Amino acid sequence: AQTVTQSQPEMSVQEAETVTLSCTYDTSESDYYLFWYKQPPSRQMILVIRQEAYKQQNATENRFSVNFQKAAKSFSLKISDSQLGDAAMYFCAYRSAFGNGANNLFFGTGTRLTVIP
Amino acid sequence: EAGVAQSPRYKIIEKRQSVAFWCNPISGHATLYWYQQILGQGPKLLIQFQNNGVVDDSQLPKDRFSAERLKGVDSTLKIQPAKLEDSAVYLCASSSSRLSTSSYEQYFGPGTRLTVT
Repeated sequence: AQTVTQSQPEMSVQEAETVTLSCTYDTSESDYYLFWYKQPPSRQMILVIRQEAYKQQNATENRFSVNFQKAAKSFSLKISDSQLGDAAMYFCAYRSAFGNGANNLFFGTGTRLTVIP
Repeated sequence: EAGVAQSPRYKIIEKRQSVAFWCNPISGHATLYWYQQILGQGPKLLIQFQNNGVVDDSQLPKDRFSAERLKGVDSTLKIQPAKLEDSAVYLCASSSSRLSTSSYEQYFGPGTRLTVT
């Protein structure tokens, strides 16, 4: 089974600064998708950004960008110009591209991000 | 567009009692998922439906958990009898298709927090 590891249980960042959250994963598959989800205290899981493994270009969504290193099986999230509303739990997730498990998300244990005013 | 609805938001029961959770996915979404999120961990898939058929229930503790999705729309997840270790947030998610050569996003509901005493 695929495993996703987030080695930073907690991170903090000063408002307006940049922070990077780490994620590594283990898989034998060549095609898959990677995601970062945000879960505020309200518990609603929200998709922040996705990356297709076959794409070499790193995904970017406004202040959020990823550093996808396929050979190293690394998928970090960079948040620029951090805002108070960015405070939440962030989960890295993996999904296979094919097969019966194609829609099954495997999540890491999460990183709690605190934004300091 | 209405999001994924879940009820109740909170439930407290004693061990050995039974409990049921309800989920209404986004209109038109064929695929529905139930995840269990234990405190301090990432969500773990319990069961995945495609319309009203089960795609994956390999992680569902079938001796006490059951789920159904009649008519391929709403779904209920039941626990009978509950154990202390079932205390968790139960998340429902839906997506537009199971077939995947592209990343069909999963939309999550707000979750039900279950406390078993």
